[in-house]
Amino acid sequence: EAQVTQNPRYLITVTGKKLTVTCSQNMNHEYMSWYRQDPGLGLRQIYYSMNVEVTDKGDVPEGYKVSRKEKRNFPLILESPSPNQTSLYFCASTHTGTGINQPQHFGDGTRLSIL
Amino acid sequence: DQQVKQNSPSLSVQEGRISILNCDYTNSMFDYFLWYKKYPAEGPTFLISISSIKDKNEDGRFTVFLNKSAKHLSLHIVPSQPGDSAVYFCAAREYTGANSKLTFGKGITLSVRP
Repeated sequence: EAQVTQNPRYLITVTGKKLTVTCSQNMNHEYMSWYRQDPGLGLRQIYYSMNVEVTDKGDVPEGYKVSRKEKRNFPLILESPSPNQTSLYFCASTHTGTGINQPQHFGDGTRLSIL
Repeated sequence: DQQVKQNSPSLSVQEGRISILNCDYTNSMFDYFLWYKKYPAEGPTFLISISSIKDKNEDGRFTVFLNKSAKHLSLHIVPSQPGDSAVYFCAAREYTGANSKLTFGKGITLSVRP
């Protein structure tokens, strides 16, 4: 089954304790992206990756890091989480980021609470 | 500055009737538009899309209309079913040559009454 898998689905942690949210897709997609969803704001892009070893900032990258060492995986890293990063996070992927009209497929989300 | 607007936060319709969900945008560089459906505790699921060079796309009960001059798109669901009850997000893509970023609206909660 084609899917985007995120882990963990839920996490409560404390300020300053490094955490990683993993994202994996099994569709051989080149393009992957992270979004956060906050009440009243819709989904906003954090980082994206056009392909392996190619990543760049989205609209709200502050406080986050990513890496793309393999095509299927795109982890989101919070080196020193803060309460304003409490949010619902979604990973998404699509075949290519080169403008072809194909939809992005989303994982089921990770709800992070930073105390 | 909100580039994709879904001004109605909710919509309630009777089963079997038409649901019309509206979306407005301001960025003329958007070239591809999508509708996603989202159930609680799940990620957004792709529903239907339309290229900016078209004005209509149909897939079963779902039709998306695009009016470029008005910067407006709408999703029609006919007939509406109780299983259609969910949050619907309108999204628009601006392809910059380096990023296929989607910009989302805030979503509309659709309730279909049996």
